[in-house]
Amino acid sequence: AQSVTQLDSQVPVFEEAPVELRCNYSSSVSVYLFWYVQYPNQGLQLLLKYLSGSTLVESINGFEAEFNKSQTSFHLRKPSVHISDTAEYFCAVSGNYKLSFGAGTTVTVRA
Amino acid sequence: NAGVTQTPKFRVLKTGQSMTLLCAQDMNHEYMYWYRQDPGMGLRLIHYSVGEGTTAKGEVPDGYNVSRLKKQNFLLGLESAAPSQTSVYFCASSRELNEQFFGPGTRLTVL
Repeated sequence: AQSVTQLDSQVPVFEEAPVELRCNYSSSVSVYLFWYVQYPNQGLQLLLKYLSGSTLVESINGFEAEFNKSQTSFHLRKPSVHISDTAEYFCAVSGNYKLSFGAGTTVTVRA
Repeated sequence: NAGVTQTPKFRVLKTGQSMTLLCAQDMNHEYMYWYRQDPGMGLRLIHYSVGEGTTAKGEVPDGYNVSRLKKQNFLLGLESAAPSQTSVYFCASSRELNEQFFGPGTRLTVL
């Protein structure tokens, strides 16, 4: 069985400041890892994913995440956030045909 | 492609009433999933299907039933709705153990 812990439920941040969202996972098998974003009153959209290969993965809108097998972590970072990054972010781990999601981190970007 | 669609978008039920949520995908995906999203709890898997004619229980299956008679459709049924089933329901589909594509959600209130 696999599980995900998102260490921060709320992250307030000022515009153009950096942000880091922490995610730790547990799994007894090899994993695929994902970050999804949910904008208000919408469904979830994939932000980025780690399947294999380079441990640093990037999204098209400036987010990046690093897979750290020894620390069982997959933290999400962005060096400079925009107001439009205000959303809820979910970390997820796959295994046995299913995804297990963390409880989510709400990012609020203020001017 | 429409992707993943869900019907209806909103619904209000009285305790004890029944209803069916419909999920449809046009991506020829084998795997389909039903989740519920509640504040502070992330997404929890209700039931899932790994192919036409197959279904399996997720984390929180009690009070729900599902059917996958056609590959493109995955139905979620509530036989006797309870206030604890007030939630936002998301359907998702995927090709393999990879990115899941989500529908826009159904907001259900049980009075």
